[in-house]
Amino acid sequence: AQTVTQSQPEMSVQEAETVTLSCTYDTSESNYYLFWYKQPPSRQMILVIRQEAYKQQNATENRFSVNFQKAAKSFSLKISDSQLGDTAMYFCAFNPMNRDDKIIFGKGTRLHILP
Amino acid sequence: DAGVIQSPRHEVTEMGQEVTLRCKPISGHNSLFWYRQTMMRGLELLIYFNNNVPIDDSGMPEDRFSAKMPNASFSTLKIQPSEPRDSAVYFCASSLGSGRAYNEQFFGPGTRLTVL
Repeated sequence: AQTVTQSQPEMSVQEAETVTLSCTYDTSESNYYLFWYKQPPSRQMILVIRQEAYKQQNATENRFSVNFQKAAKSFSLKISDSQLGDTAMYFCAFNPMNRDDKIIFGKGTRLHILP
Repeated sequence: DAGVIQSPRHEVTEMGQEVTLRCKPISGHNSLFWYRQTMMRGLELLIYFNNNVPIDDSGMPEDRFSAKMPNASFSTLKIQPSEPRDSAVYFCASSLGSGRAYNEQFFGPGTRLTVL
């Protein structure tokens, strides 16, 4: 069975600091997609960043970047220069490419950015 | 571009009543998903459709829940009869479907259901 584990239920950092959210997953697939979704207090689910497993280069979107370690099955999210608007629940998610439309979500990490 | 549209945004009902949640996916998307989110259980996939056909309904909690997708632009999730433990935020999401780039899901704003 494919699983996604987020070991940090909750984190707090000061504004402008850098924070890293951890995610590990378990799969026997060789090709897949990984995602980080953000859910702010408005509860809207927003895609932050995505990574294809067959691409070695880590994805980057402005202040958001990932550290993808395929052998270790690790997919962490780094937020640089954190802003108050980054306060949200962050979900790591996995999809087996071309086999299933379902996305498997982790239980989330609640991130608080403190002023 | 209109995103995934859900209605109503909020629903308050009494135990025993029928509740119908509605979803319009993004045009051109072939897969549609219904999720339920609670503090206790987190985000749960209830059912998903591909090309209007239910593919996996293993997450539907019990027979009180049913979902339909009569056409590519509309889906409903019905709870009959509703119970207080059904209180949650229900999300609809859509995606292009397997074999397409990334297969990321786009979420609607959710419906907050309260059953008294």
